[in-house]
Amino acid sequence: EPEVTQTPSHQVTQMGQEVILRCVPISNHLYFYWYRQILGQKVEFLVSFYNNEISEKSEIFDDQFSVERPDGSNFTLKIRSTKLEDSAMYFCASRAEENIQYFGAGTRLSVL
Amino acid sequence: SQQGEEDPQALSIQEGENATMNCSYKTSINNLQWYRQNSGRGLVHLILIRSNEREKHSGRLRVTLDTSKKSSSLLITASRAADTASYFCAPEETSGSRLTFGEGTQLTVNP
Repeated sequence: EPEVTQTPSHQVTQMGQEVILRCVPISNHLYFYWYRQILGQKVEFLVSFYNNEISEKSEIFDDQFSVERPDGSNFTLKIRSTKLEDSAMYFCASRAEENIQYFGAGTRLSVL
Repeated sequence: SQQGEEDPQALSIQEGENATMNCSYKTSINNLQWYRQNSGRGLVHLILIRSNEREKHSGRLRVTLDTSKKSSSLLITASRAADTASYFCAPEETSGSRLTFGEGTQLTVNP
């Protein structure tokens, strides 16, 4: 069964460093999402992406964040200068036309 | 997008029993979805029910929707230890909008 894959599964970084989280959405999907979940808290929407541009973003998704679809398969989330409070699980999701979103297993980001 | 409120916050049952979780929301919706999340893992879509549907089944899952009361319920019949997870509802005002998740119901099924 097709699935969304995310790499790495765990990323450790120093505060102030840039990180890129990678996702390979399901191949025929056209809509892509990033969510995050701080430990013990609920899953929060960050951004949605369609037709090579951001379609919606939350207040969390500030200038430190960016997304890109550099080729036909990858979808990346970049955090330019990480802060301690960016430590969380980051989930990528994708969907076809109907809004049933398929989530990856997540990347745990630890900012030290 | 609006957030659903799941109830109860936690539910502990024995294997073989049925589990019922409820969801309330505030404004009119186009559809409502249920997802589950095993600890530390991504969410898995369970079922989608449209605003013009009242009940839907999928295997051991039964979902109801009452748009007059702005509520939905998820019933898991003959529960198994593997059903232990958090369950979330996601009401959608507009199809294709972001999903907004609440705190969820933490279901524990004891063997």
